Amino acid sequence: SSELTQDPAVSVALGQTVRITCQGDSLRNYYASWYQQKPGQAPVLVIYAKNNRPSGIPDRFSGSSSGNTASLTITGAQAEDEADYYCNSRRDSSGNHVIFGGGTKLTVL
Amino acid sequence: EVQLVQSGTEVKKPGESLRISCKGSGYSFTSYWISWVRQMPGKGLEWMGRIDPSDSYTNYSPSFQGHVTISADKSISTAYLQWSSLKASGTAMYFCARHYSSAWSGDYFDYWGQGTLVTVSS
Repeated sequence: SSELTQDPAVSVALGQTVRITCQGDSLRNYYASWYQQKPGQAPVLVIYAKNNRPSGIPDRFSGSSSGNTASLTITGAQAEDEADYYCNSRRDSSGNHVIFGGGTKLTVL
Repeated sequence: EVQLVQSGTEVKKPGESLRISCKGSGYSFTSYWISWVRQMPGKGLEWMGRIDPSDSYTNYSPSFQGHVTISADKSISTAYLQWSSLKASGTAMYFCARHYSSAWSGDYFDYWGQGTLVTVSS
């Protein structure tokens, strides 16, 4: 499959740890990156190349990968982490095409 | 400071043409690709295609190939997304993003424009 699959919605209690997953065949060969998008705003890169954080992203965000599954973990979720999260990776080696997951709506309770 | 600044909201009728823009600043515009990403109302992100501003080489998602054209003018650090004949289904927010691609990191988008809302309605 050339798609990336994410759970549509996940919830976490304030201060607890949550894992958001992304599954797809392309993840066996290419790193996933992760984006946070709040309502009415552009996406923001939070993790790139499996587990690298851009400057300014809190260290409670981390990434990992195993087989065809990539994960974004938020350790000690904060109210401001409530957002949509998207994964992406290269689709395949045929033409530099990129794919996104369908997105996960994270609710912080 | 790296910035991508997009052109403003557009309201068009079906069948009309349109070109929206994305101006980069704060970095070497020809050193990074620019991608365009569509977000339909209440939906997720969809990669449309990308351009290498240094030589204007493009790649398109199969879903958008033939429906849009991506171009760039490196002399003014600006990328474009254009339609020759809009459809009502073209109503969406369109983002440009700086696209980093390498053998070790894969592909990711480290800076994004603010988005251009395009509404297509008769």
